[in-house]
Amino acid sequence: DAGVIQSPRHEVTEMGQEVTLRCKPISGHNSLFWYRQTMMRGLELLIYFNNNVPIDDSGMPEDRFSAKMPNASFSTLKIQPSEPRDSAVYFCASSLLAGGDEQYFGPGTRLTVT
Amino acid sequence: GQQLNQSPQSMFIQEGEDVSMNCTSSSIFNTWLWYKQDPGEGPVLLIALYKAGELTSNGRLTAQFGITRKDSFLNISASIPSDVGIYFCAGQAPSGSGYALNFGKGTSLLVTP
Repeated sequence: DAGVIQSPRHEVTEMGQEVTLRCKPISGHNSLFWYRQTMMRGLELLIYFNNNVPIDDSGMPEDRFSAKMPNASFSTLKIQPSEPRDSAVYFCASSLLAGGDEQYFGPGTRLTVT
Repeated sequence: GQQLNQSPQSMFIQEGEDVSMNCTSSSIFNTWLWYKQDPGEGPVLLIALYKAGELTSNGRLTAQFGITRKDSFLNISASIPSDVGIYFCAGQAPSGSGYALNFGKGTSLLVTP
């Protein structure tokens, strides 16, 4: 079975550029989560969706960040404009149950903003 | 989210030794989970715990949900080199607090042959 798929695996961009990260959750899963991981702050939840609807975006750092889930099999996290402090590993996770606790993570996208 | 204190921060052990790590919270959780993260990969779910006092095993791994619901521990018996990685605890608060998983900062495990 395919796990959570994320693309790209690595992204290097210049400050001010738009960055789009993509995620395909596990088929049949009803919740999708976006996390950011840094050495300083560890794993932080940015936003999560239940049945494609955003439920809690209180973790989104600021208006430069936006996330969409147009259908059950696809989500994007966009940063516009990007800044060096956005450099981190971004993970997408999905769970079977809405708001479920057993979350399965993708391999992550390592973002470097220069 | 609630702060989780995970300890130790790192461990350096010899192959064959047993390992113990724990996680404490300032508030109660309904669920405790343990994940392992290999370099360059996402966290992989190892064990999920749902009841206070529950003790669950997954091969050489054993985890327990503390009676107070504010702590959990993970034991690894007879460690092997492939156990190397970062182990994270995560807790989910009772409903009404949202569904966010609160993660510990991780325990980095190094195993020498």
